[in-house]
Amino acid sequence: QVHLVESGGGVVQPGRSLRLSCVTSGFTLSSYTMHWVRQAPGKGLEWVALISFDGNNQYYADSVKGRFTISRDTSKNTLLLQMTSLRAGDTAIYYCARSLTRSSGSMGFWGQGTLVTVSS
Amino acid sequence: DIQMTQSPSALSASVGDRVTITCRASQSINSWLAWYQQKPGKAPKLLIYKASSLDSGVPSRFSGSGSGTEFTLTITNLQPDDFATYYCHQYSTYSRTFGQGTSLEIK
Repeated sequence: QVHLVESGGGVVQPGRSLRLSCVTSGFTLSSYTMHWVRQAPGKGLEWVALISFDGNNQYYADSVKGRFTISRDTSKNTLLLQMTSLRAGDTAIYYCARSLTRSSGSMGFWGQGTLVTVSS
Repeated sequence: DIQMTQSPSALSASVGDRVTITCRASQSINSWLAWYQQKPGKAPKLLIYKASSLDSGVPSRFSGSGSGTEFTLTITNLQPDDFATYYCHQYSTYSRTFGQGTSLEIK
């Protein structure tokens, strides 16, 4: 079955970088659009970024554009999020999610999340 | 970006009740809307996609309707397991957005 496991979270100082990983299994990564979604403590969901199923297109929320990069390593079945110039406002649980179907925009499968804390 | 506004922000109801949550988009999103349920400490779970299609395994007491800019999630015969936070999500544009959430609490 579909399985998504995030890792790479932790405590990082403002201005520093961090890379999150999402190891996938149970499906072919190159066949589905993948997303990163975050949730600040006690707050709602915020979409962060997506990479299209063919890997050719990446889109970002305005709040992270120019600082975050979404990518994937299909040989390792892994989705990545490179985060630079981190700010306190980036503190959140980061979830990776898979589109329900190849052509669907809804997120049918989610990982358990990894916590990123940006603090000095 | 398309703004999604949910109402109410919080709702109290009893087991067996029928509740409705509304989501309004700042511009037309056709039927490109999903609803998610989230419980404390857990990842969101997809309930409904394309405004009214029930995801696999989701109980039939959940239903969604609407198109354009106004959408509703209805839960009939509320069960104890349904008390959670619900989010709408538009995927009409490449910049996706969520509503702010509706917390459904036990009365």
